Amino acid sequence: NAGVTQTPKFRVLKTGQSMTLLCAQDMNHEYMYWYRQDPGMGLRLIHYSVGEGTTAKGEVPDGYNVSRLKKQNFLLGLESAAPSQTSVYFCASSYSIGGGEQSQPQHFGDGTRLSIL
Amino acid sequence: AQKITQTQPGMFVQEKEAVTLDCTYDTSDPSYGLFWYKQPSSGEMIFLIYQGSYDQQNATEGRYSLNFQKARKSANLVISASQLGDSAMYFCAMREGSVGGTSYGKLTFGQGTILTVHP
Repeated sequence: NAGVTQTPKFRVLKTGQSMTLLCAQDMNHEYMYWYRQDPGMGLRLIHYSVGEGTTAKGEVPDGYNVSRLKKQNFLLGLESAAPSQTSVYFCASSYSIGGGEQSQPQHFGDGTRLSIL
Repeated sequence: AQKITQTQPGMFVQEKEAVTLDCTYDTSDPSYGLFWYKQPSSGEMIFLIYQGSYDQQNATEGRYSLNFQKARKSANLVISASQLGDSAMYFCAMREGSVGGTSYGKLTFGQGTILTVHP
């Protein structure tokens, strides 16, 4: 049972470099999310998607872009990495809300630890 | 304003004892859901328990129970008979507009509480 898979697990970048984080889920979930986790601040929502071809901004979207070309994949891009983007990034997915599925939790990947030097 | 507040940065408990982790929330939405997640040192996020705003009874899941006090806007996690493996970071999170709303399932997280279980 793969669930939510994030690649890579670790990455070190230099300031100004770009990279893409990949998230894949095999649960046929409609909704997908990208969070970042920083010490003392919990998880904060970067971007999310409610279906294939759709994306929307979360709480901290600046400096990031996303795409969801296929239902099972949600990509997070950093066009020009900055030290402030050093963080642990989590992808999550869930069923669409409604029809008695309100209790369905978000399922998380194992995270990507990203360091920007 | 903080929507989810966890006021205990760290908690200590003796093995086999019960411990309560505090969570208060702020919302004007009449329909919402509250979640607790566990994050062990290995880093993954593990779903523990859910409480809906319209649920009449407190949620329970094995050794985990939720002390839900709607009027006080608190949803404290109670872990009974603590085990060494319970040592982890615990996050409280809220989903608003869960019944036909437009929140699209987004979660707002608290800052987390680090629980340490002593033998």
